[in-house]
Amino acid sequence: GIQVEQSPPDLILQEGANSTLRCNFSDSVNNLQWFHQNPWGQLINLFYIPSGTKQNGRLSATTVATERYSLLYISSSQTTDSGVYFCAVDLGYSTLTFGKGTMLLVSP
Amino acid sequence: NAGVTQTPKFQVLKTGQSMTLQCAQDMNHNSMYWYRQDPGMGLRLIYYSASEGTTDKGEVPNGYNVSRLNKREFSLRLESAAPSQTSVYFCASSIGEAGYGYTFGSGTRLTVV
Repeated sequence: GIQVEQSPPDLILQEGANSTLRCNFSDSVNNLQWFHQNPWGQLINLFYIPSGTKQNGRLSATTVATERYSLLYISSSQTTDSGVYFCAVDLGYSTLTFGKGTMLLVSP
Repeated sequence: NAGVTQTPKFQVLKTGQSMTLQCAQDMNHNSMYWYRQDPGMGLRLIYYSASEGTTDKGEVPNGYNVSRLNKREFSLRLESAAPSQTSVYFCASSIGEAGYGYTFGSGTRLTVV
């Protein structure tokens, strides 16, 4: 099956810093989504981004489908950004395969 | 606007007991999914239902059964619980078409002793 690798596995930031999370995938995909899991366990869909660039406030994402990677940018990080960020891809059957996530801790 | 509702939120079972996890969505989504999340493993797909009346196995279906009761409801059953099924279970739904993301429920934390 498709492999989804996320890096780094862990990241610690000071509040106000910027960061880039990376997702590599091993095959062509029809769908790529980024999720944030907050410290209470709730999973929130951040972006649906099979290709191109999208922005939502301090977060933006870019997927280069031809090179099989996606990047999630977090600018001016806040403590509420802490949690685990997952990348997930879909081969076209509407089922997502998840990476193992990047755990982010933003300290005040 | 409830989204995806899972019950129960917490459950402790003894080995060999059975139980059903319930999931309901009110967004008129076609597709529904059950995932389990284990430490260091990310989320893995157990079963899914692409549309009402259909169900298919995912990556880790052994020990589970599902029922798509109607368009709104998708239940997951453990017939004979094992300690290896200790996990956090998430239900999700989507329209099932390109361009739309998933919505997840808040999860069920299951411990099998």
